Amino acid sequence: EVLLVESGGGLVKPGGSLRLSCAASGFTFNTYNLNWVRQAPGKGLEWVAYISSSSSSIYYADSVKGRFTISRDNARNSLFLQMNSLKAEDTAVYYCARDRGSTELDYWGQGTLVTVSS
Amino acid sequence: DIQMTQSPSSVSASVGGRVSITCRASQDISSWLAWYQQKPGMAPKFLIFASSTLQTGVPSRFSGSGSGTEFTLTISSLQPDDFATYYCQQAHSFPLTFGGGTRVEI
Repeated sequence: EVLLVESGGGLVKPGGSLRLSCAASGFTFNTYNLNWVRQAPGKGLEWVAYISSSSSSIYYADSVKGRFTISRDNARNSLFLQMNSLKAEDTAVYYCARDRGSTELDYWGQGTLVTVSS
Repeated sequence: DIQMTQSPSSVSASVGGRVSITCRASQDISSWLAWYQQKPGMAPKFLIFASSTLQTGVPSRFSGSGSGTEFTLTISSLQPDDFATYYCQQAHSFPLTFGGGTRVEI
């Protein structure tokens, strides 16, 4: 069974930093591309970042470029999102999502809530 | 960036009824379109890829169609479990973009 479990969310002040993790199991981690997608309270889905299986290709949404860094550790079956210079508008549930190979997202974690507030 | 526009934003329907949701892309995305279902407090669930191919395990009452810039998700014979919010997503190019969502209500 494919499982993605996010962690690391919480309350942080504007300008602060947070590192999200996503632990994966049930599939050959190092052969799949991965994504982070977020959802602000009561709002729709917003794609945040993509990383290829070997980390050779990385893309970001303009809204987070220069502030967020996506990375992965294939030896530990883990995906990360380092979030710096956080803003109130970054408040959202953050999901990690597996890419079935064509940037269509076939498995999602349960999400972790990030709240940016003073 | 490719903009995705869904309509309607919400629709009311009855159990056993039929619902169609439209998703329009701001440029030609061929068949690079996925559909997701989301229930309150839960992660999105992957329903359809390549515009019309059902993910394994998705009931056949769900169907997708379209190519280019106009796409449709149809749910025939609505079941109580189908009342949720549905999102389209273009998989043609980065940045990946989602439609605004369509809430299917009783």
